[in-house]
Amino acid sequence: ETGVTQTPRHLVMGMTNKKSLKCEQHLGHNAMYWYKQSAKKPLELMFVYSLEERVENNSVPSRFSPECPNSSHLFLHLHTLQPEDSALYLCASSLAGSVAGGTDTQYFGPGTRLTVL
Amino acid sequence: DAKTTQPPSMDCAEGRAANLPCNHSTISGNEYVYWYRQIHSQGPQYIIHGLKNNETNEMASLIITEDRKSSTLILPHATLRDTAVYYCIVAGNMLTFGGGTRLMVKP
Repeated sequence: ETGVTQTPRHLVMGMTNKKSLKCEQHLGHNAMYWYKQSAKKPLELMFVYSLEERVENNSVPSRFSPECPNSSHLFLHLHTLQPEDSALYLCASSLAGSVAGGTDTQYFGPGTRLTVL
Repeated sequence: DAKTTQPPSMDCAEGRAANLPCNHSTISGNEYVYWYRQIHSQGPQYIIHGLKNNETNEMASLIITEDRKSSTLILPHATLRDTAVYYCIVAGNMLTFGGGTRLMVKP
């Protein structure tokens, strides 16, 4: 247990569905991250939030919409996804209030395995 | 962030030390060396990190060469549960994951 939880753990959705992934951290951290891991590919950073403000958007398509209502919760809203969006979606958190000026250790959740039919 | 080079796979006998190498010849002065591992289909797990000095914790030891151009992660007594993909990351601002080393611990 890393103190970062993700729900659901598995999700199957059609291309016309709207769903949301949830991440919650119990570590008192100020930064949260979404990563995507497709089969046989390295983790790709999608979004970074620091103190509830989005500070990084790695050219992610608009069908992925993040939301960070407070420093403990992070959502990824999904709509009109494509089959190639099937992947493991990972959430992480770190202590830093700002991602500028150096790295701090990120702690990952278990991930949501998403399948788009 | 600097790039790292790791062997794609390694085997280790159970109970023996696993030594995982990483080259990071373009590392800059303020970049840390981080190690994570990922057991199949789970989230990456933080192992250890360091800047210049060797580091040790309950999971592993990290040996960084004096010129900082390479490092070695040591699992002193590998178990079957240590079978995973191990990522060496040189991080200035963000973590950038490469392909890692797939470590197979065998009985």
